[in-house]
Amino acid sequence: DIQMTQSPSTLSASVGDRVTITCRASQSISDWLAWYQQKPGKAPKLLIYKASSLESGVPSRFSGSGSGTEFTLTISSLQPDDFATYHCQHYNSYSHTFGQGTKLEIK
Amino acid sequence: QITLKESGPTLVKPTQTLTLTCTFSGFSLRTGGVGVGWIRQPPGKALDWLALIFWDDDKRYSPSLKSRLTITKDTSKNQVVLTMTNMDPVDTATYFCAHLPNTRSSKRYFDYWGQGILVTVSS
Repeated sequence: DIQMTQSPSTLSASVGDRVTITCRASQSISDWLAWYQQKPGKAPKLLIYKASSLESGVPSRFSGSGSGTEFTLTISSLQPDDFATYHCQHYNSYSHTFGQGTKLEIK
Repeated sequence: QITLKESGPTLVKPTQTLTLTCTFSGFSLRTGGVGVGWIRQPPGKALDWLALIFWDDDKRYSPSLKSRLTITKDTSKNQVVLTMTNMDPVDTATYFCAHLPNTRSSKRYFDYWGQGILVTVSS
């Protein structure tokens, strides 16, 4: 089974900062990777699919990159609404695997 | 507008079988490529994918839980049902259903999610 590992587990940052979250796959997954944002008590919200494609309606300060085994989610300038937990997900026709999540906190 | 909503018991006893229903609107499971999945999240923990069902009745399960899960669909009612047998307190989690746009293209991620239902397993 493919394992997805996110780092860091927790990230403290300030409004206006540029932040990067990393997701590593235990074997190559091409670009079959999505990123989600989740706020407490809410369902995850799709931000990025196919590693770097921005979902419709998602602000352009969010971007994704990578292929193979290493991927990043970057927020170019943190806004107050961005403090949340972020999840990466490998997907294919047969299974889905999530990372353990990265909690983005206000410094 | 796509919406999904989970329903079912919020409290089950150990060893019981859990049955959850996902009722959706804004799409049809008769449409080629479309799927619905179930994902759970124990309190304070990571998301955990459980099962998928597609428009053609193809089904996929998490390898670690496959023996306990069954996913079915009722296309006429726009519903997907997940059953999980032999429930244990470690299965306490929020259970989500989600829409998968098109498995026949690259759109195999979940783009719309239900609000989730918290299921507690306790005697």
